[in-house]
Amino acid sequence: DAGITQSPRHKVTETGTPVTLRCHQTENHRYMYWYRQDPGHGLRLIHYSYGVKDTDKGEVSDGYSVSRSKTEDFLLTLESATSSQTSVYFCAISERDRAHEQYFGPGTRLTVT
Amino acid sequence: SQQGEEDPQALSIQEGENATMNCSYKTSINNLQWYRQNSGRGLVHLILIRSNEREKHSGRLRVTLDTSKKSSSLLITASRAADTASYFCATETSGSRLTFGEGTQLTVNP
Repeated sequence: DAGITQSPRHKVTETGTPVTLRCHQTENHRYMYWYRQDPGHGLRLIHYSYGVKDTDKGEVSDGYSVSRSKTEDFLLTLESATSSQTSVYFCAISERDRAHEQYFGPGTRLTVT
Repeated sequence: SQQGEEDPQALSIQEGENATMNCSYKTSINNLQWYRQNSGRGLVHLILIRSNEREKHSGRLRVTLDTSKKSSSLLITASRAADTASYFCATETSGSRLTFGEGTQLTVNP
């Protein structure tokens, strides 16, 4: 987890409210990713970034948006949270290219009631 | 659908024994990676094996790759209680995205 922090670590929110999760890295890595982890589905890629202001969709991007205005920060926003977005969210970073080894943050447990 | 699927889903062994986990995938890959996740923590990268490699070692870890069978195995030798964790394979296909399996839960009993 060194060099990558996620905030908040835990959050409970109500259906319909906006939620922003933050990933912060101190490694100056170019690539950043957001995954969600759910029982029976493993890790699924939501969005990723390959540079400042450069982002792209992953496997399960519906209902999520991202922004990267600085190398060190990658924000994941749920515009209107739904119960199906209850999950553990992981941020990861990678130095060289999208498929090189990735380093993961500690995760954010989000519960939407 | 998941590209990689680990087998078995759960494995329980005694300390000192070897643990073998398998990963099968569906499409051609550029490389395959193994990660470990301790309960409540993020994933930790263990080893990467490229499609032109057949075997790779790192400490007590041995990974094999058989591209003709679209499968890989992770062997942990002389297991320790601290090896208790979930283990995931991740495959990199065209488009350079990592796709993770659902993991094998390994329990090493002291």
